[in-house]
Amino acid sequence: DAGITQSPRHKVTETGTPVTLRCHQTENHRYMYWYRQDPGHGLRLIHYSYGVKDTDKGEVSDGYSVSRSKTEDFLLTLESATSSQTSVYFCATGSIGTGSLSGPYFGPGTRLTVT
Amino acid sequence: DAKTTQPPSMDCAEGRAANLPCNHSTISGNEYVYWYRQIHSQGPQYIIHGLKNNETNEMASLIITEDRKSSTLILPHATLRDTAVYYCIVRSATSNTGKLIFGQGTTLQVKP
Repeated sequence: DAGITQSPRHKVTETGTPVTLRCHQTENHRYMYWYRQDPGHGLRLIHYSYGVKDTDKGEVSDGYSVSRSKTEDFLLTLESATSSQTSVYFCATGSIGTGSLSGPYFGPGTRLTVT
Repeated sequence: DAKTTQPPSMDCAEGRAANLPCNHSTISGNEYVYWYRQIHSQGPQYIIHGLKNNETNEMASLIITEDRKSSTLILPHATLRDTAVYYCIVRSATSNTGKLIFGQGTTLQVKP
């Protein structure tokens, strides 16, 4: 699997505070993704990136922003955390563009609790 | 991307083959079938993908029907460690984003 790390792995924060989650990859993959996973909802796409400084919204992007200033890092920011953003967040990377390539590959996840 | 339908749960005896079905009757000609699994609390793990030919790797085999409206993931000798949620996903080959949309998946319970 791709070398994907997420930091922090666990975080507890208070409502209204800003939070940034980091995804780092060592595979030089072009595509990176942020998903969240909640009981009863499964995995839902928040934002994705198809290149440095190229990002787009997913299914559940409200309240989140992302940035990608270099290939290896994709940051997810909660500008003002709310309790509804308590979730497990997964980053994924892939070299899929057109055609058949394996992946995307997922990181280990970040468990975020907003109190 | 086409929608998929999977049974919510299945059981399998340890050491036997696990056959997980997926229906994707609206799949179009340029869409691939991908399989992932997620073991409790871990990130989803890529298993295999295919377009129309059957595929095999060290983890599993993927059998796609000739009309491509359904597929089966086969774990040839299931172990307790194969207990997980298995996701069947259809993705366009011409997509320039590579994003995957997950459904609810099939919870496979491998029993001793």
